[in-house]
Amino acid sequence: DQQVKQNSPSLSVQEGRISILNCDYTNSMFDYFLWYKKYPAEGPTFLISISSIKDKNEDGRFTVFLNKSAKHLSLHIVPSQPGDSAVYFCAASFNAGNMLTFGGGTRLMVKP
Amino acid sequence: DADVTQTPRNRITKTGKRIMLECSQTKGHDRMYWYRQDPGLGLRLIYYSFDVKDINKGEISDGYSVSRQAQAKFSLSLESAIPNQTALYFCATSDPATGNQPQHFGDGTRLSIL
Repeated sequence: DQQVKQNSPSLSVQEGRISILNCDYTNSMFDYFLWYKKYPAEGPTFLISISSIKDKNEDGRFTVFLNKSAKHLSLHIVPSQPGDSAVYFCAASFNAGNMLTFGGGTRLMVKP
Repeated sequence: DADVTQTPRNRITKTGKRIMLECSQTKGHDRMYWYRQDPGLGLRLIYYSFDVKDINKGEISDGYSVSRQAQAKFSLSLESAIPNQTALYFCATSDPATGNQPQHFGDGTRLSIL
C-alpha cells in the first residue's frame, strides 16, 4: 500500500496562472517532505522541502504547504511558466533521514 | 560533467542475462542509493550504502545485488534478469553533513528485458 500518494496523474495550467500539485500521506511518522522535479531523460532534481515543524515554506515562485492534521501537502507555483512543465514527485522521510518514500508523480503541463 | 553519472543510459537485454548498472559520483558524498521508477509508482528504493563497508536493503531488493567498490562508485546487478525488472533505474547520493537531504540523482538507466 502506497504511503505517499499523488492522486492526480496530470495537470494542465495556462501560463501565468497558479499550479497546485497535491500529495497525501498515510504514515504520521513522516516529518520531512520534499518535492522533486523531473524532466524527460533526466534525473529528479530537488525543488523545495518542508519540515513538520512548519506549515509553509517559500522559495521564489514555489511554495509548499503542509497540513499535518490532514496528512496533506501541496506545491503552489505562481506564476506558472512553460519551463515548469515536468513531472513532480513528492517524497517523505522519517527524522529527515535516509529513506525517501515517493509518490507516483504528477505531470504538469503549462500551456503558453 | 554530471556530478552523478550512470552507465549505460539505455540497455536492452534478454531474460536470464546478468546485468550490471554502474554509478559514479564526484560530489564526495558518503551515501549512495539505487531506485527504480515504474509508471504510477514513483521511485522505490532498492539498496543503499552509508559507506564502503555498509550495504542495506531497501523496499524492493529481491532479485538485485549491489557492490560499493569505492566511496565514489556503487553498482547494481541483476543476477538473472526477468521482464518485470524492466524499468528506469536511478542512482542518488546524499551528504550526512546536510542531514542526508536532499538526495542528488543521476540521469537514469532505462533497462528493457525481453
